[in-house]
Amino acid sequence: GQSLEQPSEVTAVEGAIVQINCTYQTSGFYGLSWYQQHDGGAPTFLSYNALDGLEETGRFSSFLSRSDSYGYLLLQELQMKDSASYFCAVRRQAGTALIFGKGTTLSVSS
Amino acid sequence: GAGVSQSPSNKVTEKGKDVELRCDPISGHTALYWYRQRLGQGLEFLIYFQGNSAPDKSGLPSDRFSAERTGESVSTLTIQRTQQEDSAVYLCASSNQGAVTTNEKLFFGSGTQLSVL
Repeated sequence: GQSLEQPSEVTAVEGAIVQINCTYQTSGFYGLSWYQQHDGGAPTFLSYNALDGLEETGRFSSFLSRSDSYGYLLLQELQMKDSASYFCAVRRQAGTALIFGKGTTLSVSS
Repeated sequence: GAGVSQSPSNKVTEKGKDVELRCDPISGHTALYWYRQRLGQGLEFLIYFQGNSAPDKSGLPSDRFSAERTGESVSTLTIQRTQQEDSAVYLCASSNQGAVTTNEKLFFGSGTQLSVL
């Protein structure tokens, strides 16, 4: 089976940095993805890590440690529009389904 | 089309009725996924189609749920004898088989909000 753990809620203020952690247990591992979903909207892709290390895309970065079965999403220079739910997702091998975590609700205040 | 299209956007039905939800993936995308999202919850995997391979149906919650896909185009999710616990948003996503990074980028539709009374 597969399971992913991430915090249910995170709060922060504008301009701050926040890290959303994700630990996973899978039989096999192909890669870790992150998605953002605003209230009432569709999930949108943020990043993908297959190898250890940090991937940076603008204000967002994603990190993976395969040996620790752990990854995180780092959001810098937070803006109010970053208030949303963030989901990590894993695929245990090519050609298998992408399984999502329960999501972390990020609330950014001024 | 330009994006993943789902219809209807909203469906209200009575308990015990059958419903069909439709998904039009992005043209050329070989992979298609169905997920269920209850209010305030995560994305629950239902079924995954990848090209001509046998679909991964391991997420379907009961035999009341089934899905079909015509080639690499439209997919239909059918729920028979609907129950109140089936009320949720049903999301469809597609992705392009190619380089790993493009295959891993799922594009989601806006979903079908199903309400079972």
